[in-house]
Amino acid sequence: ETGVTQTPRHLVMGMTNKKSLKCEQHLGHNAMYWYKQSAKKPLELMFVYSLEERVENNSVPSRFSPECPNSSHLFLHLHTLQPEDSALYLCASSQAWGRHSGELFFGEGSRLTVL
Amino acid sequence: GNSVTQMEGPVTLSEEAFLTINCTYTATGYPSLFWYVQYPGEGLQLLLKATKADDKGSNKGFEATYRKETTSFHLEKGSVQVSDSAVYFCALSDRGSSASKIIFGSGTRLSIRP
Repeated sequence: ETGVTQTPRHLVMGMTNKKSLKCEQHLGHNAMYWYKQSAKKPLELMFVYSLEERVENNSVPSRFSPECPNSSHLFLHLHTLQPEDSALYLCASSQAWGRHSGELFFGEGSRLTVL
Repeated sequence: GNSVTQMEGPVTLSEEAFLTINCTYTATGYPSLFWYVQYPGEGLQLLLKATKADDKGSNKGFEATYRKETTSFHLEKGSVQVSDSAVYFCALSDRGSSASKIIFGSGTRLSIRP
């Protein structure tokens, strides 16, 4: 139990569906992240929120839309995805820089399959 | 920009063998360095870390020393177990933003034979 919970753990969707991934952290952290992990590719940082404000968006296609309503919750809204978007999506949290060495705490991931 | 390069896998060893997974980095300034581990079906978890030059991080029998002169942070364990089978990621922190931007290597899959 890492203190970061992701739901659902597995998701299968068609290219025209709309779905959302949810992440919740119980660690009192104030920064949250979405990473994409594809087979045989390095971890890709998608979005970073610090104090509920998006501070990083690494050229992610608009079919991925993040939402951070408060410091404990993070969503990734999915719309008209492509088969190449099939991957493991990992959520993480941390303290903002300056008060911590930068350690990330990860959830177990949401395995997404796009048909 | 900052980057991390680690040895490609997969690495297959017999139980009780000595393990080294090489990691080198490129960074401006003084980053913190990490090793994360991902067991099958799970997310990543921090294995060990070092925040300044010559620091040694250690956990669960694993060690890594922050070598600024060689820009390296190699992971070692004297006697591996089957339960160590996992994917290992070397990473560094980038202080460029208000949140912790961690840059990961591509990962090294380790398999231990009984």
